[in-house]
Amino acid sequence: AQKVTQAQTEISVVEKEDVTLDCVYETRDTTYYLFWYKQPPSGELVFLIRRNSFDEQNEISGRYSWNFQKSTSSFNFTITASQVVDSAVYFCARPGSQGNLIFGKGTKLSVKP
Amino acid sequence: EAQVTQNPRYLITVTGKKLTVTCSQNMNHEYMSWYRQDPGLGLRQIYYSMNVEVTDKGDVPEGYKVSRKEKRNFPLILESPSPNQTSLYFCASSYGTGGAVASPLHFGNGTRLTVT
Repeated sequence: AQKVTQAQTEISVVEKEDVTLDCVYETRDTTYYLFWYKQPPSGELVFLIRRNSFDEQNEISGRYSWNFQKSTSSFNFTITASQVVDSAVYFCARPGSQGNLIFGKGTKLSVKP
Repeated sequence: EAQVTQNPRYLITVTGKKLTVTCSQNMNHEYMSWYRQDPGLGLRQIYYSMNVEVTDKGDVPEGYKVSRKEKRNFPLILESPSPNQTSLYFCASSYGTGGAVASPLHFGNGTRLTVT
């Protein structure tokens, strides 16, 4: 199976710290998309970003940035100056053959005041 | 506001009592699907639909039924719920028939089902 691996199960930081969430993926495709989703304590799944494999430029959106490196099959997510509201479970994902998403196990981020 | 709406948010029922979880999207999306989320097992696809009247099994379809009579609605039916179907359920939709291959999946707020 073409997996998505998020090795960090839980991360705890203090507010204003920077934090990076790791994601390593497997794929046999030459072009593909990768995604990040956020699941806050309220439970909903929120789409954060989709990146195409032929665009390896870093993406920045406010305090969020994503680093995509095909050479290491990684798509890491960095939150700069973390806030308590960033506390959530973050999922990295890639498309499956049924139009579905194959999710990693998620990384639970706790940001303490 | 563009959204995927699931109802109910919380549901407690007893074994064997048929139930339906509704899902509706207002984005004119072709692709819709259902997931369940369980501790240690993550998110798994139950059923999906690439368009009206077209449905297919996902990874864990046993014990579930779906229908897609209209583009906007994709209800999940449990004909005879059992305790092992206690889970958090998500409906999702995306533009086009390819699902996440072509565009992001947008999820509803989830339905927490407990079967006793």
